[in-house]
Amino acid sequence: QSVLTQPPSASGTPGQRVTISCSGSTSNIGSKTVSWYQQFPGTTPRLLIYNDNQRPSGVPDRFSGSKSGTSASLAISGLQSEDEADYYCATWDGGLRVFGGGTKLTVL
Amino acid sequence: QVQLVQSGGEMKRPGASVKVSCKASGYTFTNYGISWVRQAPGQGLEWVGWVNPYNGHTNYAREVQGRVTMTRDTSTNTAYMELGSLKSDDTAIYYCARDRDSGGWSPEAYWGQGTLVTVFS
Repeated sequence: QSVLTQPPSASGTPGQRVTISCSGSTSNIGSKTVSWYQQFPGTTPRLLIYNDNQRPSGVPDRFSGSKSGTSASLAISGLQSEDEADYYCATWDGGLRVFGGGTKLTVL
Repeated sequence: QVQLVQSGGEMKRPGASVKVSCKASGYTFTNYGISWVRQAPGQGLEWVGWVNPYNGHTNYAREVQGRVTMTRDTSTNTAYMELGSLKSDDTAIYYCARDRDSGGWSPEAYWGQGTLVTVFS
């Protein structure tokens, strides 16, 4: 049971905007930066967002991150079929690294 | 380019130990921390620990504290994770991953290919 709570699944149709939430507490999201990872089945995770809302080079600007209080969100605009993957949030808590349980995104 | 190459898969009995290596190249090894993250079959990502290659300082997850040891060899630019008293719950793909930024602990930006550790009786 992770200290970061994500919905197990999310879905959207091509072109739509979807958001994935990550809920925590004052000891983690409320006081530390959040990052997001994308993982396709059978592949290694990829850093998508860091420092709450920064994109590494090469990540399309369709992906954006935000944070408010003890919750963070990943938004994907102009949803594409190739965005179908698992998404994980992560941050620090009490000097340790924590990951959310992951959200499986399905593109209908 | 940054590369992390991990050792091959392992099959171990319960109670045994396993040591996984992660050889880094393409950057100054001592400038960036290395995390170990595992993923059990069909499950999510679980942070295992972090090592600072510069001074060897470590942080471990509570779930493996006392069973895990993370070290590094600066002469070969290799990080190691040793997990002892293995249980079936330890069956997972173990990833090493390099911090994005130097000078402190930052998100994992570069990942090894993963090492499958199977604990079977």
